[in-house]
Amino acid sequence: DQQVKQNSPSLSVQEGRISILNCDYTNSMFDYFLWYKKYPAEGPTFLISISSIKDKNEDGRFTVFLNKSAKHLSLHIVPSQPGDSAVYFCAASYGFNKFYFGSGTKLNVKP
Amino acid sequence: NAGVTQTPKFQVLKTGQSMTLQCAQDMNHNSMYWYRQDPGMGLRLIYYSASEGTTDKGEVPNGYNVSRLNKREFSLRLESAAPSQTSVYFCASSERVETGNFAEAFFGQGTRLTVV
Repeated sequence: DQQVKQNSPSLSVQEGRISILNCDYTNSMFDYFLWYKKYPAEGPTFLISISSIKDKNEDGRFTVFLNKSAKHLSLHIVPSQPGDSAVYFCAASYGFNKFYFGSGTKLNVKP
Repeated sequence: NAGVTQTPKFQVLKTGQSMTLQCAQDMNHNSMYWYRQDPGMGLRLIYYSASEGTTDKGEVPNGYNVSRLNKREFSLRLESAAPSQTSVYFCASSERVETGNFAEAFFGQGTRLTVV
């Protein structure tokens, strides 16, 4: 049973608008949450993270929000750019850095 | 800096054949991982190694074995390949830190394996 879930396989957004990618998790032991970005034929690359003791972390155009009571996190990209088109994976970790990943959301930013 | 290097990049196997996927990292990381990526399933952890000399099963270990040869290298072996093992395999590494701290995982470019 997947402990990290991304229920939207795809998302299409107009350039300049906000992209919101969502992620849910089931294990309350997770203490760090991460977002990775993946282009075709490449490995995932780290984008942004958040500790379980925070509810928001911002890095430039990227902001991650964490709602522990709902076991939900989201990634906001503002403004969205065509180069942001990729698959985004949500991940969670606890203990000895075991990382559990969601199934991914394919973001398409239209010019 | 090469980061995480995987070989080969592509491989086609016949059912029942064996092969070893190689992974090496040059970041002096303690922890290393093998994941497989399948459509609709995301990245699933096969095995991981928290430090040199230790290995542990992940979410989907059946049909695989691993060897942490030294701090740099972590190999994944398929003893008798099956069509269900057709996938893209990713190796990753990270610093090992105490619970409550954080270090992200760095990924290789992947090995696309097809078992026919």
